[in-house]
Amino acid sequence: GAGVSQSPSNKVTEKGKDVELRCDPISGHTALYWYRQSLGQGLEFLIYFQGNSAPDKSGLPSDRFSAERTGGSVSTLTIQRTQQEDSAVYLCASSHRADTQYFGPGTRLTVL
Amino acid sequence: KQEVTQIPAALSVPEGENLVLNCSFTDSAIYNLQWFRQDPGKGLTSLLLIQSSQREQTSGRLNASLDKSSGRSTLYIAASQPGDSATYLCAVSPPGGAQKLVFGQGTRLTINP
Repeated sequence: GAGVSQSPSNKVTEKGKDVELRCDPISGHTALYWYRQSLGQGLEFLIYFQGNSAPDKSGLPSDRFSAERTGGSVSTLTIQRTQQEDSAVYLCASSHRADTQYFGPGTRLTVL
Repeated sequence: KQEVTQIPAALSVPEGENLVLNCSFTDSAIYNLQWFRQDPGKGLTSLLLIQSSQREQTSGRLNASLDKSSGRSTLYIAASQPGDSATYLCAVSPPGGAQKLVFGQGTRLTINP
């Protein structure tokens, strides 16, 4: 079956612009996660969804970052007023309950 | 705060050798531990998941062990092949249902033909 998909695969934006990153989880997976991978910080957790609710947003680095999930499926991560330090690969994962997390290919964000 | 450490950061071995990658974590209160591989420019592929009540898991040439009391896990790769070259990441999740993973920095493995 289809895996986790993310779009766009690459995004180049100018400092100060807003960006939206999309994640389509595996069908039927109730849990969805966003992570960020950067050279200096490794892989960091951002936010976790169970259904459409986000019980854990503890990893969002600032109030410029927000995420939503609709219909228990697609999720969008929005970064407002992007900064150069936001440049990273943003990875999405989904799982069925507390099972193995399956990752998408990521979105590489470059802020100029 | 949970911290995960992987040693070594990089490893290069000739094809055919058996090898062990190490992972340690500071808080033994974990829900499960996963090993992933990441190929350059790609996402993560789950290799093995060990629940906190388990001691090991096997898949093909891979065997992962977990010693929760000492905060250690190992990934054993038998008869290594050039296709095993990748970065291997260890991650633990806390108890309580929120399955956010805490990752180590990874071991970059190179298998030389």
